[in-house]
Amino acid sequence: DQQVKQNSPSLSVQEGRISILNCDYTNSMFDYFLWYKKYPAEGPTFLISISSIKDKNEDGRFTVFLNKSAKHLSLHIVPSQPGDSAVYFCAAKIGSNYQLIWGAGTKLIIKP
Amino acid sequence: EADIYQTPRYLVIGTGKKITLECSQTMGHDKMYWYQQDPGMELHLIHYSYGVNSTEKGDLSSESTVSRIRTEHFPLTLESARPSHTSQYLCASGPLAGGNTIYFGEGSWLTVV
Repeated sequence: DQQVKQNSPSLSVQEGRISILNCDYTNSMFDYFLWYKKYPAEGPTFLISISSIKDKNEDGRFTVFLNKSAKHLSLHIVPSQPGDSAVYFCAAKIGSNYQLIWGAGTKLIIKP
Repeated sequence: EADIYQTPRYLVIGTGKKITLECSQTMGHDKMYWYQQDPGMELHLIHYSYGVNSTEKGDLSSESTVSRIRTEHFPLTLESARPSHTSQYLCASGPLAGGNTIYFGEGSWLTVV
């Protein structure tokens, strides 16, 4: 049973507009969430994270929102740029557990 | 950000061959991981290590083995490659304390024919 779900396999957004990537989870014990970005034939790179004690974390064009009651987090990219075209993974962990639980990824395509 | 290196980046080998995928990191991280990822799918943890002489199997059953003789080195070995092993293999590392983020190498694409 998948504990972290990214239900949109792909998303297409116009350059300059906002991209919103969504992630749902089922395990209420998750207390830390991360977003990674992956280009084809490369390893994932860390983007932004959020602890469950917060509901928002911002870093430049990237903002992550966490809604614990809905078990939902989202990544907002504003404004979207061509270089943002990639696959975005969300991941979650519990406490000091070393393992991350990953979603299947959403492919973001930024149209010029 | 961690410096973590994987070799080879791309490899095509025949069925039954033995292959070792190398992974090295220069940040002194205690935690290291091997993930397997197919296009459009989530990352699956196949092995991890908390430090020297520590190795554990991950969630995904794998016929590979790993070793951790030195902190910086975490090689993955397939004794007898099969076409079902065709995939991208991602190595990652992270600090034992004071951080939840892990950092990935560029990955090794393995094709078994």
